[in-house]
Amino acid sequence: QVTLRESGPALVKPTQTLTLTCTFSGFSLSTSGMCVSWIRQPPGKALEWLALIDWDDDKYYSTSLKTRLTISKDTSKSQVVLLMTNMDPMDTATYYCARIPLLFGSFDYWGQGTLVTVSS
Amino acid sequence: QSALTQPPSVSGSPGQSVTISCTGTSSDVYSYNRVSWYQQPPGTAPKLIIYEVSNRPSGVPDRFSGSKSGNTASLTISGLQTEDEADYYCSSYTSSYTVLFGGGTKLTVL
Repeated sequence: QVTLRESGPALVKPTQTLTLTCTFSGFSLSTSGMCVSWIRQPPGKALEWLALIDWDDDKYYSTSLKTRLTISKDTSKSQVVLLMTNMDPMDTATYYCARIPLLFGSFDYWGQGTLVTVSS
Repeated sequence: QSALTQPPSVSGSPGQSVTISCTGTSSDVYSYNRVSWYQQPPGTAPKLIIYEVSNRPSGVPDRFSGSKSGNTASLTISGLQTEDEADYYCSSYTSSYTVLFGGGTKLTVL
């Protein structure tokens, strides 16, 4: 059974760095083709893709946010971590992690999401 | 990169069919078959309903179908049911090694 769960702070202050962790089970990120991605959704708005890390530790980022994002993985812990620097109130959103079984294929399993509010 | 273009809303009566369009460019939808569709009822995480333009994951009813022509992909839901009421999003791989989502379409079942 594939599951993913996001964890991190519910509230961050402007200019701070956000650290989110995706803990997954039911698959291995060392399997060829396997990827994990981060997606966010501001309240009442559309989904926005943020970043992807693949089985070979290659990393891909949103063009508009790549200077602020860092994605990494710990295969032994079945975790993927996303860092987002210089947080702004516009970054308030539900952040999801999702599995992609084929590089740049579809997101077939999603976590339940974690709401991050940016406010002083 | 701009989001893929979807109509903000569509509606239909139970039993009818509706189609949601997703328009991209030659750098994404036109050039790749990595187009997916997701269903998101209020307050829940998105659920994959179509992958690679027209394939349904196991468990997704065959009332849901996908297609693509040129730079526009489409999701058709036939035999509408009240439980189909949700937001629907398309996504596509792009030539810039990124993923684009559509702006989302709210489906109302009248």
